[in-house]
Amino acid sequence: AQTVTQSQPEMSVQEAETVTLSCTYDTSESDYYLFWYKQPPSRQMILVIRQEAYKQQNATENRFSVNFQKAAKSFSLKISDSQLGDAAMYFCAYRSGIQGAQKLVFGQGTRLTINP
Amino acid sequence: SQTIHQWPATLVQPVGSPLSLECTVEGTSNPNLYWYRQAAGRGLQLLFYSVGIGQISSEVPQNLSASRPQDRQFILSSKKLLLSDSGFYLCAWSHRVFSTEAFFGQGTRLTVV
Repeated sequence: AQTVTQSQPEMSVQEAETVTLSCTYDTSESDYYLFWYKQPPSRQMILVIRQEAYKQQNATENRFSVNFQKAAKSFSLKISDSQLGDAAMYFCAYRSGIQGAQKLVFGQGTRLTINP
Repeated sequence: SQTIHQWPATLVQPVGSPLSLECTVEGTSNPNLYWYRQAAGRGLQLLFYSVGIGQISSEVPQNLSASRPQDRQFILSSKKLLLSDSGFYLCAWSHRVFSTEAFFGQGTRLTVV
């Protein structure tokens, strides 16, 4: 079974600085998708960024970018120019690309604090 | 556009009482549906998922069950709640084919007393 590991329970960063959140995963599959979700205090789950395993180019969404290392099974999230509104729990997630395998597996999360 | 509704937002139930949480999706058809539980300060644990009416896959042996009586309706139930059932429950959906991410409801905070 696939597993997702986030080794940083908590992280903090100064406003306007850059922070990187780590994620590793374990799978024997070659076709899959990886995600970062944000959960603010409202607890609404918000998709931040998505990466297809078959794409070598790292995904970017404005201030958010990933470092996808397929061989190392690593998928880190970089937040540039951190803002107070970025404070939240961040979850890394994995989904198989196999047709019919629809589960989305989450890591334990990293709580990000932004210091003004 | 697609929307997902989950209710109630909060619920306080005594031990041994039944539970029914409902989730509905609008604006799409044949969605994959999911129930997750999140303990305080923890990650999301997948409880059940469904790829079609009456098709339920259970991930964790527990005191809960799920049903999908209609294409866009997903219900989480229990006959007798335990203290350990307390938590934050999230319903989610994803497209069967066209997309890969899941879209989440607002969640239900369940406290068993």
